[in-house]
Amino acid sequence: DIQMTQSPSSLSASVGDRVTITCRASQDIINFLAWFRQKPGNAPEPLIYAASSLHSGVPPRFAGSGSGTDFTLTINSLQPEDFATYYCLQYNTYPLTFGGGTKIEI
Amino acid sequence: QLQLQESGPGLMQPSETLSLTCSVSGGSISSTNYCWGWFRQPPGKGLEWIGTKYHSGSTFYNPSLKSRVTISVDTSKNQFSLKLSSVTAADTAVYYCAKRSDGYKILRYFDLWGRGTLVTVSS
Repeated sequence: DIQMTQSPSSLSASVGDRVTITCRASQDIINFLAWFRQKPGNAPEPLIYAASSLHSGVPPRFAGSGSGTDFTLTINSLQPEDFATYYCLQYNTYPLTFGGGTKIEI
Repeated sequence: QLQLQESGPGLMQPSETLSLTCSVSGGSISSTNYCWGWFRQPPGKGLEWIGTKYHSGSTFYNPSLKSRVTISVDTSKNQFSLKLSSVTAADTAVYYCAKRSDGYKILRYFDLWGRGTLVTVSS
């Protein structure tokens, strides 16, 4: 199985901040990586697919980058609704695997 | 607009078989454009993929659950289902159904999710 190591596991930030989350795959997943935001009590919402493509309707303050084994999600100018938990998902190979999550707190 | 809605028992006893249904509205479950999946999330923990069902009938399961899980499709009811046998407290989780494209590989992330249903296994 491909292990997805996400960091940090949590971080504190303020509205308007820029934050970066990283995800490292245990083997090459090319660019088959997605990012999700999960607000408390809600289902995961897709943000980014193919490492850097914005899912429909997602605001451009979200940006993804990377390829191979190292990937980054950047949120420019944090908004109140962005205080949530973020997960990366590799979909290159079965079994699909998620990172452990990053919780962004105020 | 396609929508997904999970339904299930809520509370179960250990050793029982969990049966969940995902109702699809706003589109056909028989569409060759989509695949269907199940995920779960134990309280306070991360996400786990359970399995993916293709319109061709093929199914891929998480090896950690493969011996206990079955995903099936009921085209007459426009829904798909998850069965998980011999449940224990470790299977307590919010279960999500989701849909993804079956087109280009870069589009095969799960782009639509149900709201989830909590299943608690307890005696």
